[in-house]
Amino acid sequence: NAGVTQTPKFQVLKTGQSMTLQCAQDMNHNSMYWYRQDPGMGLRLIYYSASEGTTDKGEVPNGYNVSRLNKREFSLRLESAAPSQTSVYFCASTLLGAAPDQPQHFGDGTRLSIL
Amino acid sequence: ELKVEQNPLFLSMQEGKNYTIYCNYSTTSDRLYWYRQDPGKSLESLFVLLSNGAVKQEGRLMASLDTKARLSTLHITAAVHDLSATYFCAVDTGGSQGNLIFGKGTKLSVKP
Repeated sequence: NAGVTQTPKFQVLKTGQSMTLQCAQDMNHNSMYWYRQDPGMGLRLIYYSASEGTTDKGEVPNGYNVSRLNKREFSLRLESAAPSQTSVYFCASTLLGAAPDQPQHFGDGTRLSIL
Repeated sequence: ELKVEQNPLFLSMQEGKNYTIYCNYSTTSDRLYWYRQDPGKSLESLFVLLSNGAVKQEGRLMASLDTKARLSTLHITAAVHDLSATYFCAVDTGGSQGNLIFGKGTKLSVKP
C-alpha cells in the first residue's frame, strides 16, 4: 500500500512562477487536506476537501488554490509564488463518518523553496 | 477560536529518565491526536483519544486525555535514544470536516 503519495518531493521556484503540488491516496478515504509546516509553527491547514466535489478554506488559504480532481486526488496550486510560501507542504487524508478513531494519514511532504 | 499549546517546546532527556509533555487546548473538543515526526520525514499517528479519561499506551509512551481540564499528556517512561523526534498534539475543531489544529510540537532529544 502506497498510502498518501505527494509529488514532487523537492522544488525550487522563482518569485512569480506557478506550480501545482500533486497528492493521491489509495486508501479510499473521502476527506483530504493540505497543510504547510514552517519552523516553530506546527502544521497549519491551507485547504481541505471533506468529500469529493467540495473544497473549503482552512487557516491560511491566501495565495493558494485547490482542486479535488476525483476521490483519490487533491492538488494544490500556487499561481504566483512568493518567498513567504517557502515551506514544507503536507497532504493528508482520512475516512470521515466511519469509526471515530480514524487519524489523518500524511504523505512524505514537498519541500518548496521560492527565491 | 481553538488554540493548542504544547509545552515544553524543547526537551533534552537522559536515557532511562521519565518525562511528560503537555498539550492544552482552549475550547471543547472530543478528539485529540498525538503524532510523531522524525527529521525530514512525514507524520506518524501515535494515539487517538476520544473521551474524558481515555488512556492509551504503546511501548514507552502513554497518552491521556482530561476533557474537563482541556489537557492531554504524553508520558515517556525510561526514555531511549530511538524516541528522539518531534511530537505534535492535534485537536479536532469539532465540525464535521475533521479539521485539526496542531500544537507547535515538542522536540525531544534523548541522550545516552
